[in-house]
Formats: sequence, structure tokens, C-alpha cells
Amino acid sequence: KQEVTQIPAALSVPEGENLVLNCSFTDSAIYNLQWFRQDPGKGLTSLLLIQSSQREQTSGRLNASLDKSSGRSTLYIAASQPGDSATYLCAVDFGNEKLTFGTGTRLTIIP
Amino acid sequence: DAGITQSPRHKVTETGTPVTLRCHQTENHRYMYWYRQDPGHGLRLIHYSYGVKDTDKGEVSDGYSVSRSKTEDFLLTLESATSSQTSVYFCAISSGTNPPGRSPLHFGNGTRLTVT
Repeated sequence: KQEVTQIPAALSVPEGENLVLNCSFTDSAIYNLQWFRQDPGKGLTSLLLIQSSQREQTSGRLNASLDKSSGRSTLYIAASQPGDSATYLCAVDFGNEKLTFGTGTRLTIIP
Repeated sequence: DAGITQSPRHKVTETGTPVTLRCHQTENHRYMYWYRQDPGHGLRLIHYSYGVKDTDKGEVSDGYSVSRSKTEDFLLTLESATSSQTSVYFCAISSGTNPPGRSPLHFGNGTRLTVT
């Protein structure tokens, strides 16, 4: 079964630190991977999309990497701010034109 | 923000009653999706649509039906609500003419449904 896993489920870090969120998936034959942010009571906001042919994507302080051979992606957040507090989800298209989501990592930035 | 409106935002209903949730988009996007989000399960796809009157089942479609008679509206119906359908329901659209795996998904703010 194709699955997406995000560990840890929750993470707290002091403001200003750089941090890495992890996503692992069970099948290396993916089409692409997306990272989303979800604020409480809100929908998901797309942050970055990495095509299978790419190794990374960057947007501002965010950098997402993809290693298909090891079944892993990371989301790097530089110089964290309290406004970065949210739940971060990754989702994978395994080639069946539908996204499979992880259960997310709830990030808290401590001022 | 992508122009996606879900209604109602909150609903409480009794077991056995029919419920319809509405998703309205102003982006004229072809692809629309219904997901449910539950603790410990993440988001799971219920149904999706690739165009008017073109719908298909997702991984958790039992007990749900959908209709799409216009590009802008995608309706999710629970024919006879059960307590297991208590959840937060999200509508999503893709930002291009491709399926979601090929372009970013945009989500509405969700409908919180409680079945008592």
C-alpha cells in the first residue's frame, strides 16, 4: 500500500532557529510531492511542489528537497518566526493522479 | 486566495438525515475534489470531478455521492448521515487544466459536520 508518513507529529522550536520537517513515502515511483500549510480552522495552503525530476524547490525561507531513491522529502524553514506556527502536511502523487497525504507535523515556534 | 467557497461552514445533523455540502469556485478550474480530514487519518479523498458530469470515486466514497452540473459547483451528499461521517470536509480545486498531481491544489476553508 502506498503511504506517506510524517514524523514527528509535533515539534516545538525557539524563534530564530532553522528547522527541518520530514516526510517519507513507501514507493519511489512518484510523480511529484507537495508541501502544504494548515492553520487552525482553515484549509490547506500550497507551499511548494516538487516534480519527480527535480531535487529541490525554494520559496523565500522555505526549501523543499526530494530524494526518491530513499523515499524521503524534507521541508527546511530558515530563521523561524512565530507566524510559521501551523501544521505542515506533505502529499504525494504516486502516479494515479490523486494525492496521498501524510498526517502532518504540528509546528510551534516559541517566541 | 483561490476563489473557493464552502457552505455551510458548520452543520449539526441527526443520524439518518440527508445532508448536502456545497463547494463553489470562481476560478473556472476543471478539477474539483472532496476530502475529509479526521484525527490520525489525515486527508482522505472522497470523490473527485474532472469536469461537468464527470465524477469518480476516491478511497472513502461509501455513503457519499456527488454531482457537478456546472463548472463552478461541486456538491457532496450524504444520503443518510451516520456518526462515522462526523468530520471536517474540504473542497479543493486544481489551478490548471491538469490533475492535482501535476499542479498545486487550492483548498476551501472547510465544513465542520457533526452527526448526532
